[in-house]
Amino acid sequence: KQEVTQIPAALSVPEGENLVLNCSFTDSAIYNLQWFRQDPGKGLTSLLLIQSSQREQTSGRLNASLDKSSGRSTLYIAASQPGDSATYLCAVMRSSNTGKLIFGQGTTLQVKP
Amino acid sequence: KAGVTQTPRYLIKTRGQQVTLSCSPISGHRSVSWYQQTPGQGLQFLFEYFSETQRNKGNFPGRFSGRQFSNSRSEMNVSTLELGDSALYLCASSLAQGFAEAFFGQGTRLTVV
Repeated sequence: KQEVTQIPAALSVPEGENLVLNCSFTDSAIYNLQWFRQDPGKGLTSLLLIQSSQREQTSGRLNASLDKSSGRSTLYIAASQPGDSATYLCAVMRSSNTGKLIFGQGTTLQVKP
Repeated sequence: KAGVTQTPRYLIKTRGQQVTLSCSPISGHRSVSWYQQTPGQGLQFLFEYFSETQRNKGNFPGRFSGRQFSNSRSEMNVSTLELGDSALYLCASSLAQGFAEAFFGQGTRLTVV
């Protein structure tokens, strides 16, 4: 059974700091991994999608890496800003035969001005 | 291009009642998935529809059901509501079943009293 874990559960950093959020999964047989952002009481915003054949994806100040063999992904946020404060979720899709995403519990990030 | 639209945004129901939530996917998207989000359990997969057929189902009781129409719009229904059904219900759409990127709506906040 696939399980997704995100550590830490919460993180507080000063503005301008570079930071790394971690995501681990127990079964390396994944189709893709997606990182999302969720603001309080809102839906999920897709940040980055990494296919199983890819090692990393970049969008602006965000960089996500994937190491299937070790069951790990990281989301790197450069030069953090107060507007980055949110909960970050990673989710894995097991195969192309399903749209089912298995989510971690998320990391709640607070960036202090 | 309009995003995923969920209606209503907020609902308050009494135990024992039933409720229907609606999701309109992004134009051209044919796959719709539903998730329940609670503070204790996080995001859990309910079911997935593609071309009006349920393709995958999560581990929820039969009180939770859904359907998809020919225009890809989807509804989910919860009968005989329980207090524990209080949650944020999120809908995600993607181009096709198992297709890479999932896009989420803002969710429907259901409170059962």
